[in-house]
Amino acid sequence: GESVGLHLPTLSVQEGDNSIINCAYSNSASDYFIWYKQESGKGPQFIIDIRSNMDKRQGQRVTVLLNKTVKHLSLQIAATQPGDSAVYFCAEMGGSYIPTFGRGTSLIVHP
Amino acid sequence: SAVISQKPSRDICQRGTSLTIQCQVDSQVTMMFWYRQQPGQSLTLIATANQGSEATYESGFVIDKFPISRPNLTFSTLTVSNMSPEDSSIYLCSVGSKVGNTGELFFGEGSRLTVL
Repeated sequence: GESVGLHLPTLSVQEGDNSIINCAYSNSASDYFIWYKQESGKGPQFIIDIRSNMDKRQGQRVTVLLNKTVKHLSLQIAATQPGDSAVYFCAEMGGSYIPTFGRGTSLIVHP
Repeated sequence: SAVISQKPSRDICQRGTSLTIQCQVDSQVTMMFWYRQQPGQSLTLIATANQGSEATYESGFVIDKFPISRPNLTFSTLTVSNMSPEDSSIYLCSVGSKVGNTGELFFGEGSRLTVL
């Protein structure tokens, strides 16, 4: 079946730097994408989403970029803080209301 | 948003036993799901818990192994039956909103099971 995957399993950054977490998806029928953050010992938490009719969406300190041509999704975190340390998952949705989760990237922020 | 309470939060179980995980939501929700997250892995959907009818299982998951109940719109249980060490995992309850086709799922804290 089709899948969602991530390029980098672990990303280490210095506090204050910008972070970019990448995700490749293969289901061309997917029309909705979501980023989740999972802190240690907790369930995933919704961060931001984007629909396929957009290529960029901004939130508070986060930006999601969507490139449908190459089936690529990224999450940019500005001025990364120690509290941003977590595992980040991208997820995609096609015809159902149930997201399919990618592998996850562990973001480590060094003070 | 929805507040989801799961229990137990963690447990250590013996091989061959069964354990039931409870999920309580603070509001009525239409969509309720159970996910499994194996150590260091992503989330895999086990099934959709349907109120008043049998759960809808994903490929690789069967009712005999993971029986699910959903007696009302705020509560569900997942049982992990006849456990083996391979069932050691985090089990997550999740609820979703169909409004606007959103994928904004809300998750419980998870139930971490270790099978010896």
